Amino acid sequence: AQSVTQPDIHITVSEGASLELRCNYSYGATPYLFWYVQSPGQGLQLLLKYFSGDTLVQGIKGFEAEFKRSQSSFNLRKPSVHWSDAAEYFCAVAPPSNQGGKLIFGQGTELSVKP
Amino acid sequence: GAVVSQHPSRVICKSGTSVKIECRSLDFQATTMFWYRQFPKKSLMLMATSNEGSKATYEQGVEKDKFLINHASLTLSTLTVTSAHPEDSSFYICSAPTSGNFYNEQFFGPGTRLTVL
Repeated sequence: AQSVTQPDIHITVSEGASLELRCNYSYGATPYLFWYVQSPGQGLQLLLKYFSGDTLVQGIKGFEAEFKRSQSSFNLRKPSVHWSDAAEYFCAVAPPSNQGGKLIFGQGTELSVKP
Repeated sequence: GAVVSQHPSRVICKSGTSVKIECRSLDFQATTMFWYRQFPKKSLMLMATSNEGSKATYEQGVEKDKFLINHASLTLSTLTVTSAHPEDSSFYICSAPTSGNFYNEQFFGPGTRLTVL
């Protein structure tokens, strides 16, 4: 069955420190891959996405993610975390050639940032 | 980017009553919209796909008679929780993909917090 796993439920990092959020997927073929951020009172916002090509993807707000086919992973990184990055982060997948269809979400990782 | 709104943002109702949640695409047309349910500290679970002008498609395990979906226009989909019970209390989120030739990015509404007493 298709699934997305985010092993870390909650992560706390110091402001200015680097960040890596893990995401692993189980899928028959390489799906489309996404990272979303959810802040209170706001809708999910797309940080970045991977369809094909360069496996290192740049997103908004200084985030990047690297697709590793051999590990079925799509980890999110940021070199220096800001206090405003505190939020819930979701990894999601969609079937290849999915014309705007269903997304399968991971469990989410809550990021706390300490001063 | 495109904007999706939801109304209301928060609703409290008594057990046994019905509640309607609206999802609107404000600056684009959406022939398809999606409804998700999110439990506290949990992932988003897709409930159904709302199709303009036709019946919604429900995911396995979702009661279609309990969660009525109507997609009356290209900018509006509604989710009605009928005869709500406390276990229906949750955060409901809609999304809509923009149209395009390739993968259509989805935009999410801010969500509706439903509390059933």
